[in-house]
Amino acid sequence: EVQLLESGGGLVQPGESLRLSCAASGFTFSNYAMTWVRQAPGRGLEWVSLISGSAYSTYYADSVKGRFTISRDNSKNTLYLQMNSLRAEDTAVYYCAEVDTSGSYFDYWGQGTLVTVSS
Amino acid sequence: QLVLTQSPSASASLGASVKLTCTLSSGHSSYAIAWHQQQPEKGPRYLMKVNSDDSHSKGDGIPDRFSGSSSGAERYLTISSLQSEDEADYYCQTWGTGFHWVFGGGTKLTVL
Repeated sequence: EVQLLESGGGLVQPGESLRLSCAASGFTFSNYAMTWVRQAPGRGLEWVSLISGSAYSTYYADSVKGRFTISRDNSKNTLYLQMNSLRAEDTAVYYCAEVDTSGSYFDYWGQGTLVTVSS
Repeated sequence: QLVLTQSPSASASLGASVKLTCTLSSGHSSYAIAWHQQQPEKGPRYLMKVNSDDSHSKGDGIPDRFSGSSSGAERYLTISSLQSEDEADYYCQTWGTGFHWVFGGGTKLTVL
């Protein structure tokens, strides 16, 4: 059974940093691209970033490019999102998800971790 | 620009059927999409992929009550024999050239 468990969320002030983690189990982690998706309070889903299985390729939404860094440790079956220069508009629940083998769709999701950026 | 358009809300009675629509922007009518369900206070759940040729493939454990179809630039999610637990937000999602992944705005389904 695929399981994805996010952690690392919390309350931070604008301009500060935070690192999210996503522990994966139930599948061969290194064979799959992984992604982060966020959801601001009362809003819809927004794609944030994606990383290939080998970590060779990374992609970012324009809204986070230059501030967020996605990475993974395949030896630990863990996905990360380093978030720097946080803004109030980054406040959201952050979900990690496994990407299907075509690289197009997100076929398993975690339960999310809440990030609140406020002074 | 790749955009997915969904109606903000829909409603149907317990035991009835409902058909939700996701419309692809002009020039993207050949794209497949995925449907995701988000029940209140939960993470999303992948339901299925719907192709432009009207075929679909469902995720693990998705009941037969859920089906997908396609017509032109529209992709549909049909839920039959509606149950109370089907009350949720439903999002369509696809992938665009230039390596970006896109969600529709979501449809909030109310089961009456």
